[in-house]
Amino acid sequence: RKEVEQDPGPFNVPEGATVAFNCTYSNSASQSFFWYRQDCRKEPKLLMSVYSSGNEDGRFTAQLNRASQYISLLIRDSKLSDSATYLCVVNLDSSYKLIFGSGTRLLVRP
Amino acid sequence: NAGVTQTPKFQVLKTGQSMTLQCAQDMNHNSMYWYRQDPGMGLRLIYYSASEGTTDKGEVPNGYNVSRLNKREFSLRLESAAPSQTSVYFCASSEDRGPDTQYFGPGTRLTVL
Repeated sequence: RKEVEQDPGPFNVPEGATVAFNCTYSNSASQSFFWYRQDCRKEPKLLMSVYSSGNEDGRFTAQLNRASQYISLLIRDSKLSDSATYLCVVNLDSSYKLIFGSGTRLLVRP
Repeated sequence: NAGVTQTPKFQVLKTGQSMTLQCAQDMNHNSMYWYRQDPGMGLRLIYYSASEGTTDKGEVPNGYNVSRLNKREFSLRLESAAPSQTSVYFCASSEDRGPDTQYFGPGTRLTVL
């Protein structure tokens, strides 16, 4: 079983739609959680950290469910520019080591 | 302020050839990393350097060596390239060794024939 699992997609949605991705992690001792965004043939960039209480940044909302060991990312009012691959990232022990999921691809169409 | 830079952007090697991938950061970060990204897989850590003069193996170190030349530069060397090393290589840096935001370079696309 992979340590971090994501639905590869693609999720194909119209502009203005709301879309949600989930990511499951296998190690219940995981400490920190992040969503990174990766555009086609580009480097990953941090989108947002995921806090226990959940957090929101504009149109993006991240949630953590420790009991079920998953994190989610909700994107409201999708824009064409949101088209990218979203990487779920988990840190086990407050060290340098980040475990990356293989990503969920989002396509937003006009 | 260029962030993290990598050279070259693209490279094609023949099996058995050697090469060094260069990485530099201008953010005065202490920690630097080398990852590889393959289709359908997450980024996997090859080597890590917590500070100048120190390096540690990551998840997939076999076939690679690294040098932390100074605080700014962290190079990755393939001594004898194999087709299994065909991948996209990303260098990253972070301020410290904890789960801080990691800033990635633009990547090197390497093909080994």
